[in-house]
Amino acid sequence: DAGVIQSPRHEVTEMGQEVTLRCKPISGHDYLFWYRQTMMRGLELLIYFNNNVPIDDSGMPEDRFSAKMPNASFSTLKIQPSEPRDSAVYFCASSLGWGLDEQFFGPGTRLTVL
Amino acid sequence: AQTVTQSQPEMSVQEAETVTLSCTYDTSENNYYLFWYKQPPSRQMILVIRQEAYKQQNATENRFSVNFQKAAKSFSLKISDSQLGDTAMYFCAFMNPYGNNRKLIWGLGTSLAVNP
Repeated sequence: DAGVIQSPRHEVTEMGQEVTLRCKPISGHDYLFWYRQTMMRGLELLIYFNNNVPIDDSGMPEDRFSAKMPNASFSTLKIQPSEPRDSAVYFCASSLGWGLDEQFFGPGTRLTVL
Repeated sequence: AQTVTQSQPEMSVQEAETVTLSCTYDTSENNYYLFWYKQPPSRQMILVIRQEAYKQQNATENRFSVNFQKAAKSFSLKISDSQLGDTAMYFCAFMNPYGNNRKLIWGLGTSLAVNP
């Protein structure tokens, strides 16, 4: 298996533009997580899905952020409009189950909003 | 609210020596899950070791082991025979298995440098 795949690896955009981050989880994994990592706040969970259904989106910073999982093999995180404070590394992770099950992380997308 | 604290922002160790990274957490639950993840300069997050609080025996994975002190709510990571490839950020994480919220609570990390 190729692991969790994220695209793009790097994204540079201007304030006000729409940004879409993509994730393909490991086949067969029932859980998908979106995280944001910054120096100031560390690793924050934005939202997670179970069997394509959003379970907890309490970490989504504001209405500018939205996430979808239309099927078991694809998820998107969209920011519209983007702001400089959104600059961070965004990780997608998936796991077979929960509890002690390992979360497998993608390589992350480094987003820079100018 | 459950919290995870890693009190050492940075640490360094000489190659082949042993180093211990600290982690404490706060919870009122009796059973829960604890994890250590590693993030090398490549940015890829990798699971190092995990432990269920219900089990008293400390988890071990090759050169990595934990010292789990449930009463003290402490979950430290020991790395034996440190190698240059161990240089990374190390994150401690906690999960409450009860209720509908099954998310990991993360510490802010400890940056470990292994020196030749």
